[in-house]
Amino acid sequence: SQTIHQWPATLVQPVGSPLSLECTVEGTSNPNLYWYRQAAGRGLQLLFYSVGIGQISSEVPQNLSASRPQDRQFILSSKKLLLSDSGFYLCASHPKQPYEQYFGPGTRLTVT
Amino acid sequence: DQQVKQNSPSLSVQEGRISILNCDYTNSMFDYFLWYKKYPAEGPTFLISISSIKDKNEDGRFTVFLNKSAKHLSLHIVPSQPGDSAVYFCAASGGGDYKLSFGAGTTVTVRA
Repeated sequence: SQTIHQWPATLVQPVGSPLSLECTVEGTSNPNLYWYRQAAGRGLQLLFYSVGIGQISSEVPQNLSASRPQDRQFILSSKKLLLSDSGFYLCASHPKQPYEQYFGPGTRLTVT
Repeated sequence: DQQVKQNSPSLSVQEGRISILNCDYTNSMFDYFLWYKKYPAEGPTFLISISSIKDKNEDGRFTVFLNKSAKHLSLHIVPSQPGDSAVYFCAASGGGDYKLSFGAGTTVTVRA
């Protein structure tokens, strides 16, 4: 079974500062990887997904970016954080089959 | 455009009774449906799924029903237990695309 690691667990950053959130996956090879954000009281919004190393698709225009430097590593970044970037960020993974996605523990980001 | 809708933001049920969560979708290309359970400050965990070739799938206390003509699915939890208190997300995928579209979630509270 897959294990998804995310760090840090919580982060408080000032507006305008950079961001780097990391996600690593164990127990599978060549998974699809996803970044989601859950804003307070909202559902899960897909931000980025990747079907392979260096392949990133963006779902929502924003000041965030994603990279996949290794097969089981997915990074979410920003050069300058906005207040609206606050939220709970989740990394998810699934092998090409089946459809179930498995989620990491999440990172709580507060931009002040 | 919200393709997956959970119109009830919350549900309160007495311990031992049945919990029924509803979900509607608009995209006729969806052919795989999932339910996730989420506790605060944790990542969602996969609960149960159903393919569009079926109209029912059962796993222990959890049963998912799919009505394709109505584009509606529901999750039944019986009997409800205090540990079932969580946010439940409905998700859908299809058309050869592994991405999941999530509903906004329903918060279930099981009363003792």
